[in-house]
Amino acid sequence: DAKTTQPTSMDCAEGRAANLPCNHSTISGNEYVYWYRQIHSQGPQYIIHGLKNNETNEMASLIITEDRKSSTLILPHATLRDTAVYYCIVRVASSGNTPLVFGKGTRLSVIA
Amino acid sequence: GAVVSQHPSWVICKSGTSVKIECRSLDFQATTMFWYRQFPKQSLMLMATSNEGSKATYEQGVEKDKFLINHASLTLSTLTVTSAHPEDSSFYICSARESRLMNEKLFFGSGTQLSVL
Repeated sequence: DAKTTQPTSMDCAEGRAANLPCNHSTISGNEYVYWYRQIHSQGPQYIIHGLKNNETNEMASLIITEDRKSSTLILPHATLRDTAVYYCIVRVASSGNTPLVFGKGTRLSVIA
Repeated sequence: GAVVSQHPSWVICKSGTSVKIECRSLDFQATTMFWYRQFPKQSLMLMATSNEGSKATYEQGVEKDKFLINHASLTLSTLTVTSAHPEDSSFYICSARESRLMNEKLFFGSGTQLSVL
């Protein structure tokens, strides 16, 4: 699976949009972009994933550039409970027994 | 979404004892489950891949005789830390993928904090 690069940490004011970038310049055509987050002392939580089109669900929006070499996760109205480590992972879907490989992620701190 | 239940949430044990951690997929079948370990302020590290009805596949550096994995049914995988020592103290997390889905998501348990005294 392709490697991703994320900033180590970010701050965001409560109520504002949090925009978390991810670079994946070596992504292959059949690899999806997945976002998970991990709140302290809990297991990772699925947020969203996409291939090339922008995606939106009840938690977040995922914007993927046209060349697919980078993406941005958007939390539209960050709350204190969104403070977590956010992981961007690229992975071939339907890849059978292939696990998720976690990098260091971005530690997002939402500030009141 | 699908639920993965992990038990216990935390355990404290004496050095030399064995500890069993259970991972269950509650509303789906999982032919494959994954076990991760996470040390403080570090990312998740894959330990092994557990396949229903067959032997687990361990990552390099993970002792298969120390971390026993059993995946006897489509909804249950167990990780047993044998003869635990203080250096085994860590946060253990399981993950499962639903067998039927093509574009699958992986779901994670809530983790088990192991403290070995």
